[in-house]
Amino acid sequence: EVQLVESGGGLVKPGGSLRLSCAASGFTFSNAWMSWVRQAPGKGLEWVGRIKSKTDGGTTDYAAPVKGRFTISRDDSKNTLYLQMNSLKTEDTAVYYCTVGATSPFDYWGQGTLVTVSS
Amino acid sequence: SYELTQPPSVSVSPGQTARITCSGDALPKKYAYWYQQKSGQAPVLVIYEDSKRPSGIPERFSGSSSGTMATLTISGAQVEDEADYYCYSTDSSGNLWVFGGGTKLTVL
Repeated sequence: EVQLVESGGGLVKPGGSLRLSCAASGFTFSNAWMSWVRQAPGKGLEWVGRIKSKTDGGTTDYAAPVKGRFTISRDDSKNTLYLQMNSLKTEDTAVYYCTVGATSPFDYWGQGTLVTVSS
Repeated sequence: SYELTQPPSVSVSPGQTARITCSGDALPKKYAYWYQQKSGQAPVLVIYEDSKRPSGIPERFSGSSSGTMATLTISGAQVEDEADYYCYSTDSSGNLWVFGGGTKLTVL
């Protein structure tokens, strides 16, 4: 059974940093393209970024609002995905989901972790 | 950047057909996917690669795509189909992944 468990969310001041983690199990993590998706309170889904598997180059791509501030990385030895968030803004307040695909890019979702950016 | 445009809301009576559209410039070349999100739950895939239905999704859900518009059709919508629906696709390079703004379907 695929399981994705996010952690690391919390309250942070504007301009601050936070690192989210996603522990994965139930599939071959090293072969998977992993994504982060966020959802601001009462708003829609927003793709944050994606990291390819190392065999596919291990490259990352990001949505425009977070490019240059957020960094996705992975540790295949620990089956863990990371999202380093710097220079946080109030508009980054959202539930952040770790996702992985099979039939589609987002077949499996974690429970999400809430990030609140506020002074 | 790249955008997918959906209507904010669609409303139908039970048993009627609901159609939710998604427009984007790259859709002639890129697949559309559709996700259903009920309140407080994670999204669920209901249509992939424009028109394919995952196992376990009722037959009343179907998808199509023509030109720059993809459409999710729910034939004989049920009250339990009330949810937010999101289309997903990529830009022409395939590197930027995008969700539409979401459509709230009301069945009453």
